[in-house]
Amino acid sequence: QSALTQPASVSGSPGQSITISCTGTSSDVGGYNYVSWYQQHPGKAPKLLIYDVINRPSGVSSRFSGSKSGNTASLTISGLQSEDEASYSCSSYSSSTTFVVFGGGTKLTVL
Amino acid sequence: QVQLVESGGGVVQPGESLRLSCAASGFTFNNYGMHWVRLAPGKGLEWVSLIRNDGSNKYYADSVKGRFTISRDNSKNTLYLQMNSLKPEDTAMYYCAKDIHTVTIHWVLDYWGQGTLVTVSS
Repeated sequence: QSALTQPASVSGSPGQSITISCTGTSSDVGGYNYVSWYQQHPGKAPKLLIYDVINRPSGVSSRFSGSKSGNTASLTISGLQSEDEASYSCSSYSSSTTFVVFGGGTKLTVL
Repeated sequence: QVQLVESGGGVVQPGESLRLSCAASGFTFNNYGMHWVRLAPGKGLEWVSLIRNDGSNKYYADSVKGRFTISRDNSKNTLYLQMNSLKPEDTAMYYCAKDIHTVTIHWVLDYWGQGTLVTVSS
């Protein structure tokens, strides 16, 4: 059981937009603006997409955007492309003894 | 470019030990905190441990506290994870990752290695 809750899977067609949610508590997502999102293709290293809720590292496409409302953070991918098919995980700083908590991951399928 | 290369994984029996290494290049290693994160089969990512840039402070997940020890050799640009008293539930791909900020810890992992597989089974 992961500390943050994500849907197991989402899907969309090329060109569409999708949103992945990440629900935590006031001790993590809701209490800090330290939410990150990672993309992972099978057999590859995870890649940082979004940090501090809304910031994109240099080189990450503007098609990826982040937001937060209360205890739920969201990742939106616009203009879906086939190469976006991957697993997406959220994380947050936590005031618990774990320091960093992750979601269970969401598998994105591009139809 | 930043490169992180893990090694040392393998198949061990419950109760045995293993030491993982992570060779870093492409950045000033001694300026950054470094993390270990694992991904068990069918589960989500789990943060394991962090060591500050100068090795002065170390942090562990409750699930590994007292069994795992993180360390680093800044002269060799290498991060380590000594894993003792291994359990079947430690079976996972282990990744090393770099913290995004210099010196201070931001708990954001901006570069990751490809991982090394640890299997604990009798």
